[in-house]
Amino acid sequence: DIVMTQSPDSLAVSLGERATINCKSSQSVLYSSNNKNYLAWYQQKPGQPPNLLIYWASTREFGVPDRFSGSGSGTDFTLTISSLQAEDVAVYYCQQYYSTPPTFGPGTKVDIK
Amino acid sequence: EVQLVESGGGLVQPGGSLRLSCAASGFTFSTYWMTWVRQAPGKGLEWVANIKQDGSEKYYVDSVKGRFTIFRDNTENSLYLQMNSLRAEDTAVYYCARIRGEGERYRALEYWGQGTLVTVSS
Repeated sequence: DIVMTQSPDSLAVSLGERATINCKSSQSVLYSSNNKNYLAWYQQKPGQPPNLLIYWASTREFGVPDRFSGSGSGTDFTLTISSLQAEDVAVYYCQQYYSTPPTFGPGTKVDIK
Repeated sequence: EVQLVESGGGLVQPGGSLRLSCAASGFTFSTYWMTWVRQAPGKGLEWVANIKQDGSEKYYVDSVKGRFTIFRDNTENSLYLQMNSLRAEDTAVYYCARIRGEGERYRALEYWGQGTLVTVSS
């Protein structure tokens, strides 16, 4: 199974400042035949189901604000919130869907400083 | 509007059984892979199982193999998870989710239900 790790476990950022979350996979999730990274990011607010933010490592889901961006390739990925808003307080998970079982990172909690 | 509504959760004793249901609407259910994901209280997300559009392929996380069965009824637009030999460590909110992309297996999870809580305890 592909093991996903995230760092940091939690972070507190001032409103309007940048938040950066890292995700690493134990093996590459880049599929060479289509040059796509099988990596997604989800946001989960308390008491709610996860919400898909980013897929293919960098494609924003419809309706997701453009302050959210994803980058990286192979085994190392980053989710960036360019200007943190109060409504972004949540836990963020990365997930690989390159192979079965699809696996999630342990999550990163984002709070307001 | 895509909607996924889970039901069937509750309190069950260790070794017991439970069947979860997920009623889907707002899309052509029979053309999508579907998934169950669970989340233990205060913990992260764990993929449990998924099923092909016609039910001919099913995959499970190792910890539930032989105990859980995923199946679907495309005439009723419903997804199910039959859970047998339940253990305390199966306690979680169980989410039904639709894979992004018709006919595709290896994709992100685009739509999620609100979840149903399963508690395994004596």
